[in-house]
Amino acid sequence: DAGVTQSPTHLIKTRGQQVTLRCSPKSGHDTVSWYQQALGQGPQFIFQYYEEEERQRGNFPDRFSGHQFPNYSSELNVNALLLGDSALYLCASSLVSRGEQYFGPGTRLTVT
Amino acid sequence: GQQLNQSPQSMFIQEGEDVSMNCTSSSIFNTWLWYKQDPGEGPVLLIALYKAGELTSNGRLTAQFGITRKDSFLNISASIPSDVGIYFCAGLGTSYDKVIFGPGTSLSVIP
Repeated sequence: DAGVTQSPTHLIKTRGQQVTLRCSPKSGHDTVSWYQQALGQGPQFIFQYYEEEERQRGNFPDRFSGHQFPNYSSELNVNALLLGDSALYLCASSLVSRGEQYFGPGTRLTVT
Repeated sequence: GQQLNQSPQSMFIQEGEDVSMNCTSSSIFNTWLWYKQDPGEGPVLLIALYKAGELTSNGRLTAQFGITRKDSFLNISASIPSDVGIYFCAGLGTSYDKVIFGPGTSLSVIP
Protein backbone atom coordinates (compact mmCIF):
# COMPACT_ATOMS: atom_id res chain seq x y z
CA ASP A 1 0.00 0.00 0.00
CA ALA A 2 1.75 3.15 -1.22
CA GLY A 3 1.80 6.08 1.13
CA VAL A 4 1.67 9.73 0.14
CA THR A 5 4.16 10.58 -2.59
CA GLN A 6 5.43 13.99 -3.64
CA SER A 7 7.51 15.26 -6.54
CA PRO A 8 10.00 16.64 -7.04
CA THR A 9 12.13 16.03 -3.95
CA HIS A 10 14.14 19.20 -4.32
CA LEU A 11 13.73 22.28 -6.46
CA ILE A 12 15.72 25.47 -6.96
CA LYS A 13 13.99 28.47 -8.51
CA THR A 14 14.78 32.11 -9.08
CA ARG A 15 12.80 34.95 -7.53
CA GLY A 16 9.82 35.86 -9.71
CA GLN A 17 9.49 32.43 -11.29
CA GLN A 18 6.57 30.05 -10.93
CA VAL A 19 6.64 26.52 -9.51
CA THR A 20 4.34 23.49 -9.50
CA LEU A 21 4.56 20.77 -6.87
CA ARG A 22 2.74 17.45 -7.12
CA CYS A 23 1.19 15.04 -4.64
CA SER A 24 -0.42 11.62 -4.85
CA PRO A 25 -2.50 10.69 -1.81
CA LYS A 26 -2.44 7.47 0.14
CA SER A 27 -4.56 4.78 -1.47
CA GLY A 28 -8.22 5.19 -0.53
CA HIS A 29 -7.89 8.79 0.64
CA ASP A 30 -10.00 11.53 -0.93
CA THR A 31 -8.75 14.73 0.71
CA VAL A 32 -5.43 16.49 0.19
CA SER A 33 -3.98 19.30 2.30
CA TRP A 34 -0.86 21.36 1.64
CA TYR A 35 1.46 22.83 4.25
CA GLN A 36 4.50 25.09 4.26
CA GLN A 37 7.17 24.38 6.85
CA ALA A 38 9.94 26.88 7.43
CA LEU A 39 13.10 25.73 9.15
CA GLY A 40 12.60 25.21 12.86
CA GLN A 41 8.84 25.72 12.76
CA GLY A 42 5.72 23.60 12.65
CA PRO A 43 3.85 23.10 9.37
CA GLN A 44 1.56 25.99 8.38
CA PHE A 45 -1.69 25.11 6.62
CA ILE A 46 -2.00 26.47 3.08
CA PHE A 47 -5.23 24.89 1.81
CA GLN A 48 -7.24 21.69 1.56
CA TYR A 49 -8.92 20.06 -1.45
CA TYR A 50 -11.85 17.70 -1.51
CA GLU A 51 -13.94 16.70 -4.53
CA GLU A 52 -11.70 18.92 -6.70
CA GLU A 53 -12.70 22.02 -4.73
CA GLU A 54 -10.70 24.15 -2.33
CA ARG A 55 -12.50 23.65 0.96
CA GLN A 56 -10.34 25.43 3.51
CA ARG A 57 -7.59 28.01 3.16
CA GLY A 58 -4.98 29.33 5.55
CA ASN A 59 -3.40 32.78 5.62
CA PHE A 60 -1.52 32.58 2.35
CA PRO A 61 -1.72 35.07 -0.55
CA ASP A 62 -3.39 34.35 -3.86
CA ARG A 63 0.03 33.59 -5.35
CA PHE A 64 -0.54 30.16 -3.82
CA SER A 65 -3.10 28.15 -5.76
CA GLY A 66 -3.91 24.51 -6.17
CA HIS A 67 -5.83 21.89 -7.97
CA GLN A 68 -7.19 18.43 -7.28
CA PHE A 69 -7.72 15.94 -10.08
CA PRO A 70 -10.45 13.26 -10.39
CA ASN A 71 -7.95 10.61 -9.20
CA TYR A 72 -7.51 12.69 -5.99
CA SER A 73 -3.94 13.72 -6.79
CA SER A 74 -3.14 17.38 -6.32
CA GLU A 75 -0.88 20.20 -7.42
CA LEU A 76 0.34 23.27 -5.57
CA ASN A 77 1.28 26.27 -7.71
CA VAL A 78 3.18 29.28 -6.47
CA ASN A 79 3.54 32.33 -8.70
CA ALA A 80 5.96 35.26 -8.49
CA LEU A 81 8.26 33.44 -6.09
CA LEU A 82 9.80 35.38 -3.23
CA LEU A 83 12.90 34.51 -1.23
CA GLY A 84 10.60 33.93 1.75
CA ASP A 85 8.84 31.12 -0.11
CA SER A 86 11.89 28.91 0.48
CA ALA A 87 10.63 26.08 2.68
CA LEU A 88 9.67 22.42 2.88
CA TYR A 89 6.27 21.95 1.24
CA LEU A 90 4.31 19.06 2.65
CA CYS A 91 1.29 17.29 1.29
CA ALA A 92 -1.01 15.31 3.57
CA SER A 93 -3.91 13.06 2.66
CA SER A 94 -6.91 11.93 4.67
CA LEU A 95 -10.45 10.65 4.44
CA VAL A 96 -13.08 13.38 4.52
CA SER A 97 -14.75 11.59 7.43
CA ARG A 98 -11.56 11.30 9.51
CA GLY A 99 -9.25 13.96 10.88
CA GLU A 100 -5.98 12.05 10.89
CA GLN A 101 -3.68 13.17 8.11
CA TYR A 102 -0.77 11.26 6.61
CA PHE A 103 2.15 13.23 5.24
CA GLY A 104 4.40 12.75 2.27
CA PRO A 105 8.18 13.28 2.42
CA GLY A 106 7.90 16.86 1.22
CA THR A 107 9.44 18.99 -1.52
CA ARG A 108 12.32 21.24 -0.52
CA LEU A 109 11.97 24.52 -2.45
CA THR A 110 14.85 26.96 -2.52
CA VAL A 111 14.30 30.40 -4.05
CA THR A 112 17.44 32.34 -4.96
CA GLY B 1 -6.38 32.85 15.48
CA GLN B 2 -5.99 29.39 16.89
CA GLN B 3 -2.59 28.65 18.34
CA LEU B 4 -0.97 25.72 20.10
CA ASN B 5 1.79 25.84 22.67
CA GLN B 6 4.11 22.93 23.32
CA SER B 7 6.36 22.36 26.28
CA PRO B 8 9.11 21.81 26.79
CA GLN B 9 10.63 23.40 23.69
CA SER B 10 13.53 20.95 23.86
CA MET B 11 14.73 18.20 26.14
CA PHE B 12 17.85 16.12 26.61
CA ILE B 13 17.41 12.79 28.36
CA GLN B 14 19.38 9.64 29.08
CA GLU B 15 18.57 6.50 27.18
CA GLY B 16 16.06 4.44 29.15
CA GLU B 17 14.37 7.41 30.80
CA ASP B 18 10.69 8.22 30.40
CA VAL B 19 9.63 11.41 28.58
CA SER B 20 6.59 13.62 29.04
CA MET B 21 5.54 16.53 26.86
CA ASN B 22 2.35 18.49 26.51
CA CYS B 23 0.36 20.70 24.23
CA THR B 24 -2.09 23.42 25.20
CA SER B 25 -4.51 25.65 23.37
CA SER B 26 -6.87 28.51 24.09
CA SER B 27 -9.38 26.86 21.75
CA ILE B 28 -11.29 23.60 22.00
CA PHE B 29 -10.37 20.83 19.59
CA ASN B 30 -12.30 17.66 18.75
CA THR B 31 -9.26 15.77 17.52
CA TRP B 32 -5.67 15.75 18.71
CA LEU B 33 -2.85 14.29 16.64
CA TRP B 34 0.75 13.60 17.61
CA TYR B 35 3.49 13.44 14.96
CA LYS B 36 7.23 12.79 14.92
CA GLN B 37 9.45 14.39 12.31
CA ASP B 38 13.02 13.48 11.44
CA PRO B 39 15.24 16.05 9.70
CA GLY B 40 14.34 16.57 6.03
CA GLU B 41 11.37 14.21 6.16
CA GLY B 42 7.62 14.54 6.48
CA PRO B 43 5.89 14.16 9.88
CA VAL B 44 4.85 10.62 10.78
CA LEU B 45 1.55 10.13 12.60
CA LEU B 46 2.08 8.50 15.99
CA ILE B 47 -1.29 8.67 17.71
CA ALA B 48 -4.74 10.11 16.96
CA LEU B 49 -7.19 11.01 19.76
CA TYR B 50 -10.88 11.64 19.15
CA LYS B 51 -12.59 11.79 22.54
CA ALA B 52 -12.05 13.92 25.64
CA GLY B 53 -10.37 11.85 28.35
CA GLU B 54 -9.23 9.22 25.84
CA LEU B 55 -5.95 7.47 26.61
CA THR B 56 -4.32 5.70 23.66
CA SER B 57 -1.08 3.74 23.39
CA ASN B 58 1.15 2.85 20.48
CA GLY B 59 4.00 0.67 21.72
CA ARG B 60 6.07 2.72 24.16
CA LEU B 61 4.04 5.85 23.38
CA THR B 62 0.94 6.89 25.30
CA ALA B 63 -1.12 9.99 24.60
CA GLN B 64 -4.11 11.50 26.35
CA PHE B 65 -6.86 13.85 25.17
CA GLY B 66 -7.40 16.37 27.97
CA ILE B 67 -10.79 16.57 29.66
CA THR B 68 -11.12 20.28 28.85
CA ARG B 69 -10.40 19.50 25.16
CA LYS B 70 -7.80 22.27 25.28
CA ASP B 71 -4.79 20.10 25.94
CA SER B 72 -3.09 16.81 25.19
CA PHE B 73 -0.12 14.91 26.58
CA LEU B 74 2.40 12.49 25.12
CA ASN B 75 4.54 10.11 27.14
CA ILE B 76 7.39 7.96 25.86
CA SER B 77 8.59 5.17 28.12
CA ALA B 78 12.11 3.72 28.19
CA SER B 79 13.50 6.06 25.54
CA ILE B 80 15.90 4.75 22.90
CA PRO B 81 18.21 6.60 20.47
CA SER B 82 15.75 6.32 17.57
CA ASP B 83 13.25 8.41 19.56
CA VAL B 84 15.36 11.45 18.68
CA GLY B 85 13.42 13.95 16.60
CA ILE B 86 10.85 16.71 16.78
CA TYR B 87 7.44 15.90 18.18
CA PHE B 88 4.49 17.98 17.01
CA CYS B 89 1.01 18.10 18.42
CA ALA B 90 -1.80 19.12 16.11
CA GLY B 91 -5.45 19.88 16.68
CA LEU B 92 -8.55 20.25 14.56
CA GLY B 93 -12.20 21.00 15.22
CA THR B 94 -13.81 18.69 12.68
CA SER B 95 -12.47 16.54 9.85
CA TYR B 96 -13.27 19.49 7.58
CA ASP B 97 -11.11 21.92 9.52
CA LYS B 98 -7.53 22.86 8.89
CA VAL B 99 -5.02 21.17 11.15
CA ILE B 100 -3.25 23.54 13.53
CA PHE B 101 0.28 22.51 14.48
CA GLY B 102 2.25 23.38 17.58
CA PRO B 103 5.85 24.64 17.34
CA GLY B 104 7.26 21.25 18.32
CA THR B 105 9.33 19.68 21.09
CA SER B 106 12.85 18.65 20.14
CA LEU B 107 13.95 15.43 21.85
CA SER B 108 17.58 14.36 22.18
CA VAL B 109 18.49 10.99 23.72
CA ILE B 110 21.95 10.55 25.20
CA PRO B 111 23.17 6.93 24.92
